[in-house]
Amino acid sequence: SQKIEQNSEALNIQEGKTATLTCNYTNYSPAYLQWYRQDPGRGPVFLLLIRENEKEKRKERLKVTFDTTLKQSLFHITASQPADSATYLCALNTGFQKLVFGTGTRLLVSP
Amino acid sequence: DAGITQSPRHKVTETGTPVTLRCHQTENHRYMYWYRQDPGHGLRLIHYSYGVKDTDKGEVSDGYSVSRSKTEDFLLTLESATSSQTSVYFCAIAGAGHDTGELFFGEGSRLTVL
Repeated sequence: SQKIEQNSEALNIQEGKTATLTCNYTNYSPAYLQWYRQDPGRGPVFLLLIRENEKEKRKERLKVTFDTTLKQSLFHITASQPADSATYLCALNTGFQKLVFGTGTRLLVSP
Repeated sequence: DAGITQSPRHKVTETGTPVTLRCHQTENHRYMYWYRQDPGHGLRLIHYSYGVKDTDKGEVSDGYSVSRSKTEDFLLTLESATSSQTSVYFCAIAGAGHDTGELFFGEGSRLTVL
């Protein structure tokens, strides 16, 4: 069966450290993968997209890697801040303009 | 921010009653989606639309219908609500890029079926 797995346990880190979140998938062959941020009571907000032929993508303090052989994406936030505390969702495209989402990982950054 | 408005934002209803959720966009985007979000399941696609009067089913479409008579409005209807449809419903629109696929979400509609 097709699955997208994100660590369901919250990730607790100290301010200034690098947070690394993992997204693993099985039985998909996505052309691209996306990461979203979701705050409590709000809709998800798009952060980054990485295509299957890209190994790495950066945007300010964010970095995403995509390994189609391992079927894994890593999402890094460097120099993390308490304001980065949120739930982060990965999503794969499964067809034209259709996305499947993981359940998300909650990140808690303490001062 | 993408111009997406969902209504109502909160609704409590009883089992067996019909419910309609509305999604309104001001971006003139072609693709619109309805997702539901439940603990342990993440976001799951209910239905989507790729143009006026063009809709298709998603992963969890049973018990739901949709309509899109205008570009800007996408309605989600629960003909006879059940307790299993208690959830947070999100509308989304796809960005204008032909293949980027990034979605812009509304603020959600929290539905409780008693």
